[in-house]
Amino acid sequence: EIVLTQSPATLSLSPGERATLSCRASQSVSSYLAWYQQKPGQAPRLLIYDASNRATGIPARFSGSGSGTDFTLTISSLEPEDFAVYYCQQRSNWSGVTFGQGTRLEIK
Amino acid sequence: EVQLVESGGGLVQPGGSLRLSCAASGFTFSSYAMHWVRQAPGKGLEYVSAISSNGGSTYYANSVKGRFTISRDNSKNTLYLQMGSLRAEDMAVYYCARDLVDTAMVPLNAFDIWGQGTMVTVSS
Repeated sequence: EIVLTQSPATLSLSPGERATLSCRASQSVSSYLAWYQQKPGQAPRLLIYDASNRATGIPARFSGSGSGTDFTLTISSLEPEDFAVYYCQQRSNWSGVTFGQGTRLEIK
Repeated sequence: EVQLVESGGGLVQPGGSLRLSCAASGFTFSSYAMHWVRQAPGKGLEYVSAISSNGGSTYYANSVKGRFTISRDNSKNTLYLQMGSLRAEDMAVYYCARDLVDTAMVPLNAFDIWGQGTMVTVSS
């Protein structure tokens, strides 16, 4: 099973700042990596798929990069509604889906 | 509106059974693979099970294999998860989710539509 490790566990920033979240895979997942945002009491929302493609309706301040084992989600200028938990997810094949443990983005 | 609505959660004793349902609307349900993902209270996301668009292929995480059964009824636009031999560690919010596909219906390795979740509590 491919393990995804997210860092940091918690990120404390202020609105307007730039956020950089990391996801590292235990082996190559090519570009088959997605990012989700989850707010308390809500279902996850897809932000990025295939490492760098924004999902429908996702603001341009969200961007993804990376391939192989190292991936990054960047939020260029934080809005108040961006403070949430973020998960990465890989599917290297139809049956092999795993999620990272999450990064909590909190207001400083 | 594209929507998934789960139901069937509740309180069940250890060793008991429960069937979750996920009603789909606003899209051609029979064209999409579907998935179940769960989240224990205060924890992260755990992938549980998947089923192909026609129901011919299924997948289970090791943690539920042999105890859970995924199925679908494309005539009713509904996904199911039959859960048996429930344990305390199965207690979680269960989400159904739709495969993200491109215009040629090729899977894009992510889940674009999620239900609101249904809570399963396992306790005596």
